Amino acid sequence: GQQVMQIPQYQHVQEGEDFTTYCNSSTTLSNIQWYKQRPGGHPVFLIQLVKSGEVKKQKRLTFQFGEAKKNSSLHITATQTTDVGTYFCAGNKLTFGGGTRVLVKP
Amino acid sequence: IAGITQAPTSQILAAGRRMTLRCTQDMRHNAMYWYRQDLGLGLRLIHYSNTAGTTGKGEVPDGYSVSRANTDDFPLTLASAVPSQTSVYFCASSVSPSSNYHNEQFFGPGTRLTVL
Repeated sequence: GQQVMQIPQYQHVQEGEDFTTYCNSSTTLSNIQWYKQRPGGHPVFLIQLVKSGEVKKQKRLTFQFGEAKKNSSLHITATQTTDVGTYFCAGNKLTFGGGTRVLVKP
Repeated sequence: IAGITQAPTSQILAAGRRMTLRCTQDMRHNAMYWYRQDLGLGLRLIHYSNTAGTTGKGEVPDGYSVSRANTDDFPLTLASAVPSQTSVYFCASSVSPSSNYHNEQFFGPGTRLTVL
């Protein structure tokens, strides 16, 4: 079955710095979704990517879908304390990655 | 209601007891889902329903059952709870899935279940 892996599991970031989290699937995906979950909260949809090589931006967040549609990345620039939380990717078979937990050092 | 609600917020349950987690949405979404979230394991799909009257098994369905009698409600039942079912349970909904993928999911606030 479809397996989705995310790296890193944890990301400690200095406020103001950039970082990237990666999502890799064992199978080709028809789409990929990204969610953010704040500590103690529920997952909130961020974006969906469908096309090969697609790049979408939301303010300081840049999402990319790989050319082979088996991987994706989320890049955050100038990290802020509001970026704290766990970022999940999810494949088309509703398979979620284990998440990247982001901690921001002020 | 404006969104998706779950009840109870939290529950402590003795092993062997029956428990139903409730989920209601008022967005008229056709698709609904149940996930469990365990520390370090992300979200795992238990059961789903693409439309009222139909259900399907997810990645970890054993020990759980669901029903979808109408569009708004999607209860999850643990027939005889076991300690390994201790988890946070999230219900979610989305508009009708396309032929290739499920659309944006809206999650409820979750139910924290502890089975002793």
